Amino acid sequence: AQSVTQLDSQVPVFEEAPVELRCNYSSSVSVYLFWYVQYPNQGLQLLLKYLSGSTLVKGINGFEAEFNKSQTSFHLRKPSVHISDTAEYFCAVSDYSSASKIIFGSGTRLSIRP
Amino acid sequence: NAGVMQNPRHLVRRRGQEARLRCSPMKGHSHVYWYRQLPEEGLKFMVYLQKENIIDESGMPKERFSAEFPKEGPSILRIQQVVRGDSAAYFCASSRQDSYEQYFGPGTRLTVT
Repeated sequence: AQSVTQLDSQVPVFEEAPVELRCNYSSSVSVYLFWYVQYPNQGLQLLLKYLSGSTLVKGINGFEAEFNKSQTSFHLRKPSVHISDTAEYFCAVSDYSSASKIIFGSGTRLSIRP
Repeated sequence: NAGVMQNPRHLVRRRGQEARLRCSPMKGHSHVYWYRQLPEEGLKFMVYLQKENIIDESGMPKERFSAEFPKEGPSILRIQQVVRGDSAAYFCASSRQDSYEQYFGPGTRLTVT
């Protein structure tokens, strides 16, 4: 069975500072990996995904993530955050055999201070 | 091209009543998924449906919860005899056939009083 651990429940950052949101997963099979963003009282929006190929994945809004198979990690980064990045971020995984079921982490709340 | 639509956006029910949540997938999407998000938690998979078929309901509670995706019309998540613990945000997602990428609706926030 897969699981996803987001190590930080909250991350406060000053505007224009860099940020890294950490995500580790466990799975006995090959996986797809995702980061979703949820703005207050809204649904989830896909930020980026890793399926195969290059381990560095670029997404929307200037975010990127790096897949590290040996460390089973998929950390999300942005070199300079903006107030509008304030949201909840979810790391998620699904395996090749049951790509229908996405397993989500518990989320990291990113708060940006001016 | 409209995204995934859910209604109602907010639903208040008294304990013991029934809650019916609707989800219309994106145009061209034949697969629907339901997830539940409890306060301060991530989303938990409930059920995966195709038209007229339940493919995976491993995340559905055994009692009081049911889901359908009829040939015509939206997918329905039905909760009978609601209890306070059912208060949560319920999200629907849809995808094309054989696609890993799911698109999420805005959710229905159910409050049981």
